Amino acid sequence: DAGVTQSPTHLIKTRGQQVTLRCSPKSGHDTVSWYQQALGQGPQFIFQYYEEEERQRGNFPDRFSGHQFPNYSSELNVNALLLGDSALYLCASSDGTGGRPQHFGDGTRLSIL
Amino acid sequence: AQSVSQHNHHVILSEAASLELGCNYSYGGTVNLFWYVQYPGQHLQLLLKYFSGDPLVKGIKGFEAEFIKSKFSFNLRKPSVQWSDTAEYFCAVNAGAAGNKLTFGGGTRVLVKP
Repeated sequence: DAGVTQSPTHLIKTRGQQVTLRCSPKSGHDTVSWYQQALGQGPQFIFQYYEEEERQRGNFPDRFSGHQFPNYSSELNVNALLLGDSALYLCASSDGTGGRPQHFGDGTRLSIL
Repeated sequence: AQSVSQHNHHVILSEAASLELGCNYSYGGTVNLFWYVQYPGQHLQLLLKYFSGDPLVKGIKGFEAEFIKSKFSFNLRKPSVQWSDTAEYFCAVNAGAAGNKLTFGGGTRVLVKP
């Protein structure tokens, strides 16, 4: 039973560039959430997708956008990268949106130079 | 807005010692509460969860947590730790009306000395 898979595992970009991160949810899950985890901090909620729509959003600027596909996989896009966007980006999936336990992937480590 | 605070950033213990990690949250309504663990080099894993009912919940690997509503707390305990419990522990809260959004604490790094 495949868990949550994320790609790529590591990425290096420069300021001003754009990046796309990908996530495949755990089998049987239809809801995908994205979190940003800066070094030494807990994960912070970016947004959540369900039925191909953004359902909830955390306190992140519009430079952060996403998409969910019919097969429930998801992308996180970040435009105009800033040094402060360097972090571990985590994808989590669940079956439904009602406070269900979330299963996390290994994350994508994004470094901005 | 919800917030979660974990009292200790780092804890160092010897094997067989007891562990208690504090977690307090700020939200006045119905909450779902979680403890996640991140072992070195691994992804976040669910240790235990509280939705309703018995405020003392048992999780995997001998961990338990107690929900005290009057104190807005959800402390994690283990009576006797092992070297393999070395990890970072995160408390997380989902407000009942907030869908699936999790608000995490800052985490506690636990080092168990053999």
